[in-house]
Amino acid sequence: GESVGLHLPTLSVQEGDNSIINCAYSNSASDYFIWYKQESGKGPQFIIDIRSNMDKRQGQRVTVLLNKTVKHLSLQIAATQPGDSAVYFCAENMGAGTDKLIFGTGTRLQVFP
Amino acid sequence: GAGVSQSPRYKVAKRGQDVALRCDPISGHVSLFWYQQALGQGPEFLTYFQNEAQLDKSGLPSDRFFAERPEGSVSTLKIQRTQQEDSAVYLCASSLADEQYFGPGTRLTVT
Repeated sequence: GESVGLHLPTLSVQEGDNSIINCAYSNSASDYFIWYKQESGKGPQFIIDIRSNMDKRQGQRVTVLLNKTVKHLSLQIAATQPGDSAVYFCAENMGAGTDKLIFGTGTRLQVFP
Repeated sequence: GAGVSQSPRYKVAKRGQDVALRCDPISGHVSLFWYQQALGQGPEFLTYFQNEAQLDKSGLPSDRFFAERPEGSVSTLKIQRTQQEDSAVYLCASSLADEQYFGPGTRLTVT
């Protein structure tokens, strides 16, 4: 079935470096994508979203890129900090009468000094 | 401000017992969602409410799972005759528009 997936299950980066987390989606009709951060024992926390009529959106230290041609989504974190260590999920909003989210399996980001 | 709250945070049930999980959404949020998250996996959709109407329950894994939101605010997810495979974190989310705000979840362990 159609789903959202991730290329890398674990990403280790040095503090201060930039991080890039990737995601592939398969539903070409999806028009809204979200990145969530989940720390241990907590619920997913919204980071940034993007609609399909955009290819880039920036927030504070984060940028989301959307490539609809290859159905690829990425999250870039600038100057990664220890507090960024968590599991990151991309999610796809299916729309079409329901706003349910389809999540990928997640990428664990580990930041070391 | 107050976010989405869920109770209990942890629940241990013996196989065959019934459980009820509560979600208090953000005040005024029309939409409410339940997700199930297995260990090491992403959340999976269970059901969706718009006010008191359950518009989508396609993700409920069996007829042992039942959700309600009678007054369009607080919601309860009930699992009857729990099985070991029901062990997971159950997440509730609410939204007013596109962005869904998640609660901390209830970790259910069935022994």
